[in-house]
Amino acid sequence: AQKITQTQPGMFVQEKEAVTLDCTYDTSDQSYGLFWYKQPSSGEMIFLIYQGSYDEQNATEGRYSLNFQKARKSANLVISASQLGDSAMYFCAMGYQGGSEKLVFGKGTKLTVNP
Amino acid sequence: GAVVSQHPSWVICKSGTSVKIECRSLDFQATTMFWYRQFPKQSLMLMATSNEGSKATYEQGVEKDKFLINHASLTLSTLTVTSAHPEDSSFYICSAGPGAGGYNEQFFGPGTRLTVL
Repeated sequence: AQKITQTQPGMFVQEKEAVTLDCTYDTSDQSYGLFWYKQPSSGEMIFLIYQGSYDEQNATEGRYSLNFQKARKSANLVISASQLGDSAMYFCAMGYQGGSEKLVFGKGTKLTVNP
Repeated sequence: GAVVSQHPSWVICKSGTSVKIECRSLDFQATTMFWYRQFPKQSLMLMATSNEGSKATYEQGVEKDKFLINHASLTLSTLTVTSAHPEDSSFYICSAGPGAGGYNEQFFGPGTRLTVL
């Protein structure tokens, strides 16, 4: 069974600094995908970034990058130059690579960006 | 692109009544839609997976007779909470996929907050 672990219930960062949100996963599958979603207080889930298990390079999307360490089964999200609008819940999730299969979510990390 | 809408965004109902929540993919055809439930300060819990034209697959512990899911077209899925009770009060979120990125991304609706009195 797939499992996602996010060990940081809450994180604080100063505006304009970088922050890393931790995510480790467990799966026996060789082909899988890792996702990060942002959930502001309004509730909608916003897709941030994706990493496939066969991708050799770390994914990047603007200020977001995913530090993928396959041997350690970790997929940490790095947010550079934090902004006040980054304050939200962040969820790491895992799914199968290809096709449309259900996602397994971690418990989330609440990020607070201080001015 | 990849916009998913939900209606209503919030609903308050009396105990014992049924509530229908709609999930629509506005600019792409969603072969699969997912329904999640989220309690305050908790993660998303998958309730069921629905594929267009077939019966939904429910997760263990989810009452299929209480949470009726219909996926009648490639752009619409509905969740009906039958005989709702206060313990059904929650935030319900749908997602639709696959997206156009070629990988298994799901795009989420804005959610529906259900309060049962």
